[in-house]
Amino acid sequence: ETGVTQTPRHLVMGMTNKKSLKCEQHLGHNAMYWYKQSAKKPLELMFVYNFKEQTENNSVPSRFSPECPNSSHLFLHLHTLQPEDSALYLCASSQGYRESSYNEQFFGPGTRLTVL
Amino acid sequence: GQQVMQIPQYQHVQEGEDFTTYCNSSTTLSNIQWYKQRPGGHPVFLIQLVKSGEVKKQKRLTFQFGEAKKNSSLHITATQTTDVGTYFCAGPVLNGGSNYKLTFGKGTLLTVNP
Repeated sequence: ETGVTQTPRHLVMGMTNKKSLKCEQHLGHNAMYWYKQSAKKPLELMFVYNFKEQTENNSVPSRFSPECPNSSHLFLHLHTLQPEDSALYLCASSQGYRESSYNEQFFGPGTRLTVL
Repeated sequence: GQQVMQIPQYQHVQEGEDFTTYCNSSTTLSNIQWYKQRPGGHPVFLIQLVKSGEVKKQKRLTFQFGEAKKNSSLHITATQTTDVGTYFCAGPVLNGGSNYKLTFGKGTLLTVNP
């Protein structure tokens, strides 16, 4: 099993709700990532944090707000989402990060989000 | 925008048959990674290729990186039911200006008939 955990595993929320996804990595990595996986679309990189600093925000709507308090924890705060935001949200970590190349990604099990 | 294209989208084989999935980029990649995602699971890293023309093997899996570093392939010899899943390639692609983004192909879903 991977050293990346995510909670909750399933989440159903209304469009006016505020919720947060949590990710924790136990691998001693310094880079963490949020991905979105929708049906019939490629896995999409949303945010990258390296040593707690956000290094990438790939044109993600502001209704998704990431937070990285330390190198082991990553949150994704959700606010006024749309039904099309329903997807599997995956967290990953890696040992090291360079913008022009990426190291091996260790993925968590994901949070299956449904927005009603 | 720039993408990583992967074909085929689906492949169904009889157990024991070979399987190949192909990955193509419009631009040169510094490296390419391959992942496997079992049904209901999460992507698991298989390998990373860095050098032009590189070939790596993992038991029945053979990975190749093209000479121009724009394409890659994953070949499985004598498939088994445990090979079932979606295979993704991923590479760092320019995302406007000088910024890179790890970009995944849509994946190839492999099903194996026992």
